[in-house]
Parts: sequence; C-alpha cells; structure tokens
Amino acid sequence: DAKTTQPPSMDCAEGRAANLPCNHSTISGNEYVYWYRQIHSQGPQYIIHGLKNNETNEMASLIITEDRKSSTLILPHATLRDTAVYYCIVRAHGSGNTGKLIFGQGTTLQVKP
Amino acid sequence: DAGVTQSPTHLIKTRGQQVTLRCSPKSGHDTVSWYQQALGQGPQFIFQYYEEEERQRGNFPDRFSGHQFPNYSSELNVNALLLGDSALYLCASTGGEETQYFGPGTRLLVL
Repeated sequence: DAKTTQPPSMDCAEGRAANLPCNHSTISGNEYVYWYRQIHSQGPQYIIHGLKNNETNEMASLIITEDRKSSTLILPHATLRDTAVYYCIVRAHGSGNTGKLIFGQGTTLQVKP
Repeated sequence: DAGVTQSPTHLIKTRGQQVTLRCSPKSGHDTVSWYQQALGQGPQFIFQYYEEEERQRGNFPDRFSGHQFPNYSSELNVNALLLGDSALYLCASTGGEETQYFGPGTRLLVL
C-alpha cells in the first residue's frame, strides 16, 4: 500500500500558484519525498524530491514540514499544460534499497483558463 | 542525450499469446524497473533488474519474466496473455543519483 495520502482532485486557475498537499505521517528517517506527474497516457515525469529541507527547481518547489509528516508541491504559475495526475511517493535511498516506487491514486490537477 | 526509450509504442495480442516489450535506459543508468499501469490506476511495480539479475519482484505471477542485457537494456516477457494484462507497461531507469526516470510506455491490448 502507498504510504502517502493525497486529495483525489484539485482545480487551479491558470497563472495562479497550484499547491498540492501530501500526507506521509509514517515516513521513516531515511525516506525521501518524491513527486511525479503523469499527463494523460504518457509515462510519469519526475518533478522534484527532498529529504527534510525545502527544495526548488525549474519546475516546482517542495515544502516539507519540520516533522516531515506532510509536504506541499508548489507550481508557482500553473499553465494548462500542468493539467495532470500528480503522485507523491516516499522511498528510501541507500544500499539495500531497490527504490521501487509505490504509487497511490495521486491528485488530478485541473488547470482552468 | 536520449531519455528512456521503449518499443513498441502500441501492441495488440490475443489471449494465450506471448509478448516481449523492450526498454533502453537513459545514458549512464544501469538499473531498470518495470511497472504495469491499468486504466485509471497508478503504476504497479513488476520487477527490477540490476547487473543482469532480477533484484526485486512485485506481486506478479511467473508469467511475467524479464531480462537485462550487458548494455543495460531490458526486456519484459509476458506468457499466456490474459485479458487483464491489457495495460500501459512502463520502464524506468536509475543511475547513481537514485531518481527513477520513466519512458513513454508500451500500450498493450489483449483481445
């Protein structure tokens, strides 16, 4: 079973920030938070990941709470092309971990004009 | 730099047949994972190959088998196809940085 909980769907106005929440209350100390998105019928696209510090790249920002039990993916200026299913996944790094990804149902983000 | 590639893009088979799907990992990656994604569901882990051996397997029957070649490319074989095997099959590759990058997938339809 997936170790994360996400709302099934969200709407966002084009040009506004999209804030996607994820709950991972049972996360372990060596587990990272990963975000992927999947646009209809395409392969999942890696967005960002982090351990405990906030992270930012050209696609998004990841905010992880201090207790690491939840996180938020922020798309700063959503466009229609950001409409997709967003998956929040926790997985361990390091030797002995194959890093298999356990996907939940994700959040379907609909960006509206 | 090419990303993960998969072939074919689409495939139609009939029940009982066998199918082989192929995956070439991203340059510099040595680990390949395979996932099955049924319509409306998230991807489910099938197995992972590293150093030409199966390193971990998900909850899939023995009809699903794989292989990894010395150049790190991989094949997924499914025998005795069932209608329920119709799905998008995804390949992901990993290198030293541990992030998995996915290919575009192969859409398999079993009639």
